[in-house]
Amino acid sequence: EIVLTQSPGTLSLSPGERATLSCRASQSVSSSYLAWYQQKPGQAPRLLIYGASSRATGIPDRFSGSGSGTDFTLTISRLEPEDFAVYYCQQYGSSTFGGGTKVEIK
Amino acid sequence: QVQLQESGPGLVKPSQTLSLTCTVSGGSISSGSYYWSWIRQPAGKGLEWIGRIYTSGSTNYNPSLKSRVTISVDTSKNQFSLKLSSVTAADTAVYYCARRDPGGGGLDPWGQGTLVTVSS
Repeated sequence: EIVLTQSPGTLSLSPGERATLSCRASQSVSSSYLAWYQQKPGQAPRLLIYGASSRATGIPDRFSGSGSGTDFTLTISRLEPEDFAVYYCQQYGSSTFGGGTKVEIK
Repeated sequence: QVQLQESGPGLVKPSQTLSLTCTVSGGSISSGSYYWSWIRQPAGKGLEWIGRIYTSGSTNYNPSLKSRVTISVDTSKNQFSLKLSSVTAADTAVYYCARRDPGGGGLDPWGQGTLVTVSS
């Protein structure tokens, strides 16, 4: 079973700053099968990125995904107030999720 | 656009079977080729994939839950369902249904989620 480890657990940043979130897999993952989700309190997760780097429909271009093999990154270029949330990566070959990174207001 | 809605009892007694249904609207569950999935999230914790059913009816389950999980589809009602047997307090969670395009997309859309509490 592939284990996804997300870091950091919590990221404290101010609006306008750049956020860099990491997702590391215990073994190589097909880039085609790596997704990122955003979850706000009381809401279902929302798909942001699929195929490691493709933005889902309606997702602003300040969100970008990159990486391959075992190391993947979600970058938010300039944090907007609505971006403070928890972010999860998922390898949807085996469908495992990472433990999440909380992006909080500093 | 396609929307998903979970339904079922909010309270289940220990050792009993949890049963949830996901109703698909805005499209036919049998059109196209999709994975119809169940995911859960205990309060304050992360996401756990439970399993999925393909449009053809084939299923895949989380190995840690496989012995207790059954996912089925009812095309006449445009629904798919989750049964989780022998539940304990550890199965208390918000349960989500979601769709995935096996062509390479992630889980999208998701239902709003339904809280199931296991308690006597």
